[in-house]
Amino acid sequence: GAGVSQSPRYKVAKRGQDVALRCDPISGHVSLFWYQQALGQGPEFLTYFQNEAQLDKSGLPSDRFFAERPEGSVSTLKIQRTQQEDSAVYLCASSLLAGGPYNEQFFGPGTRLTVL
Amino acid sequence: DQQVKQNSPSLSVQEGRISILNCDYTNSMFDYFLWYKKYPAEGPTFLISISSIKDKNEDGRFTVFLNKSAKHLSLHIVPSQPGDSAVYFCAASASGNEKLTFGTGTRLTIIP
Repeated sequence: GAGVSQSPRYKVAKRGQDVALRCDPISGHVSLFWYQQALGQGPEFLTYFQNEAQLDKSGLPSDRFFAERPEGSVSTLKIQRTQQEDSAVYLCASSLLAGGPYNEQFFGPGTRLTVL
Repeated sequence: DQQVKQNSPSLSVQEGRISILNCDYTNSMFDYFLWYKKYPAEGPTFLISISSIKDKNEDGRFTVFLNKSAKHLSLHIVPSQPGDSAVYFCAASASGNEKLTFGTGTRLTIIP
């Protein structure tokens, strides 16, 4: 079956532009996560959805970052007024159930964002 | 503040020998630990996990050991195969918390 897909795979933005990154989770998966992976680092948690509810957004680095999952499936991560420090790979993951890390998170291939 | 640390950025191991990847953590609230494997241009894929109520979990060639008193875990791969060449991330989570905290990764290279 299809895994988690993300689009675009690569995005180049000029500093100050707004960008929108899309995640299509595995069909039927309740939980959806966004992570940010800077060069040479591990993924860092940004935000978590259970269905359409955003239950944890503690990792969003500033109010320029906004995520939504209005119908409980596809999610969009939006970054306003991009800065060079936003350059990273943005990973989306989904898991079938909610209720703890015991539910395997399946990751997409990521979107590599480069801000010039 | 790096709560999960992988102090070896890279490791090279001869094919057929044992690979040992190490991970340390500082947050005593962590009670569930995972290893992920990542190939270039792909997302991480789950490999093996361990709960804090255990000190060992085995799955085929992969074994994870947990030493809670030392806040240390390790992943053993034996025998190592060329397809094991990848970046390995250690991750941890606390009860009731969905999010994972990752280490910085160790690049494993298996030499044929």
